[in-house]
Amino acid sequence: KAGVTQTPRYLIKTRGQQVTLSCSPISGHRSVSWYQQTPGQGLQFLFEYFSETQRNKGNFPGRFSGRQFSNSRSEMNVSTLELGDSALYLCASSLGLAGGFSSYEQYFGPGTRLTVT
Amino acid sequence: AQKVTQAQTEISVVEKEDVTLDCVYETRDTTYYLFWYKQPPSGELVFLIRRNSFDEQNEISGRYSWNFQKSTSSFNFTITASQVVDSAVYFCALSEVGYGSGNTGKLIFGQGTTLQVKP
Repeated sequence: KAGVTQTPRYLIKTRGQQVTLSCSPISGHRSVSWYQQTPGQGLQFLFEYFSETQRNKGNFPGRFSGRQFSNSRSEMNVSTLELGDSALYLCASSLGLAGGFSSYEQYFGPGTRLTVT
Repeated sequence: AQKVTQAQTEISVVEKEDVTLDCVYETRDTTYYLFWYKQPPSGELVFLIRRNSFDEQNEISGRYSWNFQKSTSSFNFTITASQVVDSAVYFCALSEVGYGSGNTGKLIFGQGTTLQVKP
């Protein structure tokens, strides 16, 4: 089974621009979560999507948004980029079962390294 | 509030030594999951283990073992006979268990422990 894929792998943007990152989950997985990893703040949860609905959200400004498509692929968008947005953005997928216990083994992609200059 | 603490920032050992990575967590929930992930230099987080709060049995997988102690809110990870390929950053993480569309899918990570195994 193919793993989680993220595109692009590397991105350089200028402050004030916007960026869209893409994530394709493992086949059959319906939940996609996004994380930001920086040396200073570590790994921080951005949001989670399940069946095209945002189910959970971290403490990030509204410039960070996302969506999920009917095939479970997800995109995240950052508008008005700031220097502090430079980070590794990781996407994770899981079965994300609705109803009953959701055990949440999350499988991560290789990440997109975003550099804002 | 939920919190995960990995007090060891960096550990350096010589190959074949045993090494234990510590993880202490805080949560007010009685039902939760604990995880360990490995992040090699390539950047991808590799899932190692999941444990739920009702299962305090220790687990062994090859050279890896995990010790879960609810009484001390700890979930420590031991690598026996370490190898150079074990060099990576290791993260401990915590998540709540959700019912339906509840508060799920969110992992709270510790700051990570960088393990360097020298030949």
